[in-house]
Order: sequence, then C-alpha cells, then structure tokens
Amino acid sequence: NAGVTQTPKFQVLKTGQSMTLQCAQDMNHNSMYWYRQDPGMGLRLIYYSASEGTTDKGEVPNGYNVSRLNKREFSLRLESAAPSQTSVYFCASSEGDSDYYNEQFFGPGTRLTVL
Amino acid sequence: AQTVTQSQPEMSVQEAETVTLSCTYDTSENNYYLFWYKQPPSRQMILVIRQEAYKQQNATENRFSVNFQKAAKSFSLKISDSQLGDTAMYFCAFGTSYDKVIFGPGTSLSVIP
Repeated sequence: NAGVTQTPKFQVLKTGQSMTLQCAQDMNHNSMYWYRQDPGMGLRLIYYSASEGTTDKGEVPNGYNVSRLNKREFSLRLESAAPSQTSVYFCASSEGDSDYYNEQFFGPGTRLTVL
Repeated sequence: AQTVTQSQPEMSVQEAETVTLSCTYDTSENNYYLFWYKQPPSRQMILVIRQEAYKQQNATENRFSVNFQKAAKSFSLKISDSQLGDTAMYFCAFGTSYDKVIFGPGTSLSVIP
C-alpha cells in the first residue's frame, strides 16, 4: 500500500516549457487535490477533484490545468512554465465524504524550478 | 474571507520540555474542522491532530494536545516531552468541507538536544 505517489520528485524547466506532474493513490479515495507550497505562505490549493470526472478551481489555478484520468490518478499540467511557478507541489487525497471532513493524505511532493 | 494565522515563524525548545504553537483563524462558519499537520525535513505532510468545532473537549494524541477556544477563534498545539523527531514545520489548517482547506504559513520548530 503505497498511499499517494508523485512523479517526478525534482524537475527543472526553462521558461515557456511544458510538463505534467503525475499523482496516483491506491486508497480508493474519491477526492484528490493539488497544492503548491511557497515559503511563508503555507499550502495553497490549485485544483481539486471531488470525484472521478469532476475538477474545480482552487485558490491559485491560473497557469495550470488538471486531468482526473480515473479514480486513482490526478495530473497537473503546466502549459507554459513561468518563474513564478517555481514551488513545491503536493498532491493529496481523501475519502471525500461530504458529510464530514476527511483527513487528507499527502504525496512526497515535487520540487519544481523554472529558470 | 477565511484566514489562518500563525504568528510564530520559528520556535525552539529543549529536548524533554513542553512547547506551545499558536494558531488563530477567522471564519463566520459555525461547523468546521481544525488540524495540525507536521512536515519534517523529508517534506512528507503528516496529520498530527484534528478537532471538530462542535466538540468542546480538546483533542489529544499521545504527547500532542490542543487548546481550542472557539469564541476566541484560537487553536494552539502543545507538544509535551519534546523529542528530536518533533523538529519540523507545523501547519495549522482550517476546513469547512472537503474542498475548502486553508493552511496557515507554518511555524518552524527546532528541538535542541
């Protein structure tokens, strides 16, 4: 049981390049999330997916797109990377029961640098 | 707007001592959840403790306990008998539903041998 996995762990891009961050969970969770973590700002929600087939914007969605490929996988795409997107990216998942809040389980993070 | 504030960017504590991390939040909601997450140098986010706002009793998990003051919108974390492995970044977080979790900026805690 691997929990939440993310690939890659590190990535360096040049401005204007594109890339996709991959995330997968094996806990049969309904909800999945993408956060970015910047110094002094905690974690900010980029996009989330409440269930397979649905996605919604979070606090900082500009410059990103997501795909909920199936129940297990939730990818984050940067179409044209900018230096402001240099950050650590975390994927998370939770059971997603809307009647009460579930614990979110986090992946190990991806450190992305955009030059 | 809902916000979470952690006024202590950095703290340190001697091994085996007790330390309290502060957190305040702002919301007009009545039903919500509060969390403390730990992020050690490995970067892995780990849930330390959770408190439901409708519960008056403060949550405890082994050496970790909270002081939840709903009227004051305060949610502090107390770590007793601090251990070297407690060295980490600690994030206070607030959520009203599965899609609305707001994290504070974090407090970096160092446990000194």
